[in-house]
This record gives sequence, C-alpha cells and structure tokens, in this order.
Amino acid sequence: RKEVEQDPGPFNVPEGATVAFNCTYSNSASQSFFWYRQDCRKEPKLLMSVYSSGNEDGRFTAQLNRASQYISLLIRDSKLSDSATYLCVVNIGGGSNYKLTFGKGTLLTVNP
Amino acid sequence: DARVTQTPRHKVTEMGQEVTMRCQPILGHNTVFWYRQTMMQGLELLAYFRNRAPLDDSGMPKDRFSAEMPDATLATLKIQPSEPRDSAVYFCASGLGLYEQYFGPGTRLTVT
Repeated sequence: RKEVEQDPGPFNVPEGATVAFNCTYSNSASQSFFWYRQDCRKEPKLLMSVYSSGNEDGRFTAQLNRASQYISLLIRDSKLSDSATYLCVVNIGGGSNYKLTFGKGTLLTVNP
Repeated sequence: DARVTQTPRHKVTEMGQEVTMRCQPILGHNTVFWYRQTMMQGLELLAYFRNRAPLDDSGMPKDRFSAEMPDATLATLKIQPSEPRDSAVYFCASGLGLYEQYFGPGTRLTVT
C-alpha cells in the first residue's frame, strides 16, 4: 500500500452537486490529517484539518475512519470556484515522529 | 496580508550549472520547509528547519542539494550541479509548527 493514496480523478460535477473524495494511508499509527487545496499553477493552501470526531467548515466536511485508515472530504453545493486539486496530507510518522506526506491529489472540475 | 516570498519565480538553466533558490518566510514563523513538486512524484518534502536549525533533510539528494538558513528571514536551497531530472516546482513553506504551513508561490525550475 502506498503511504498516502488518492483517486487522481478527474471528478467532473455540475454546480450544486455534492462530491466526496477519499484518501487512504498506510500507517495505522498516523495522528495528524489535513486537506489542502491547490489551484492550477499555484501553491497549496490549507483547507482544513481533520479531527477524530469529524469536522465541518461551511460546505466542507472532513472525516477520519481509523479502522479503515482513510480520511474523506465532502463538498456540498459545489461552486465553480471549488475547481482545484485537493491534496490529502498525513503525518505517517505516527506518534511523535514527523513525516508529513502529501497525496498526489484529486482533480475536481465544477461545471456550470 | 503576510506571505512567503520566493525568488526567482522561474529559472531555466543548463545541466551542470548551480541553481540557488531563495525564500523569505512569514515574519515570526519559526519553521521553514522546502518541497519539490513534479507530476510523477507529487509534492515531496526535501528538508525543514526549526528556529533556523536543520531538523531533517532526508528527502534531499545529499550529493547535489543543500539547504541553509543564514538568518531568520532567509532560507536557501542550492543545487550544484543541476541535472535535467531536477526540473520541478520548488516550494518553500513556513509556519509556527509542523502542521499549519503557508506556502510560497514556488520556483519553477527547468534544467536543459
């Protein structure tokens, strides 16, 4: 299993749709999880952290499933401006070890 | 709006030449990261510093890459000699810890 793995997409959805991405990770001891967003030819930007209990920020919901070793990102009522690559980020070092690893990203295109 | 700055934004050079990339972290941030991004490998952590001290450079090819922080406002990444396989976008990021990272716009390097 790759350390951090994402479906590369592309996901093409109409405006207003709900879309979900999953990301799997290899180390069951991993402690810290994030979603970053990267627009075309731009730098990555932190979208949200992922907490054990799940968390929501407006139209975005992140969840963690430790048993199956994956995190998810749900986008509701998608907007054209949500079009970007979404990067899953995991500290696969586990515990106090630091090895922040980025997935290769999932490309989302929201169409009018 | 504080940002990480990187220079140059674009660099085209011939194989064998030395390349130096510079980064100015956000004032007050004590952690600085260097990443490389390619289509094939995605985003890879090369090295990172805390309070100007190198903590981990295991992601970096040691024979040709070097990273330093001469002072708190400047981080450098040097490649000598450069090779075509070094062609990539190099990002610098800074933060107050290991997880919430603010990325610079990147240096797009092409080695011919």
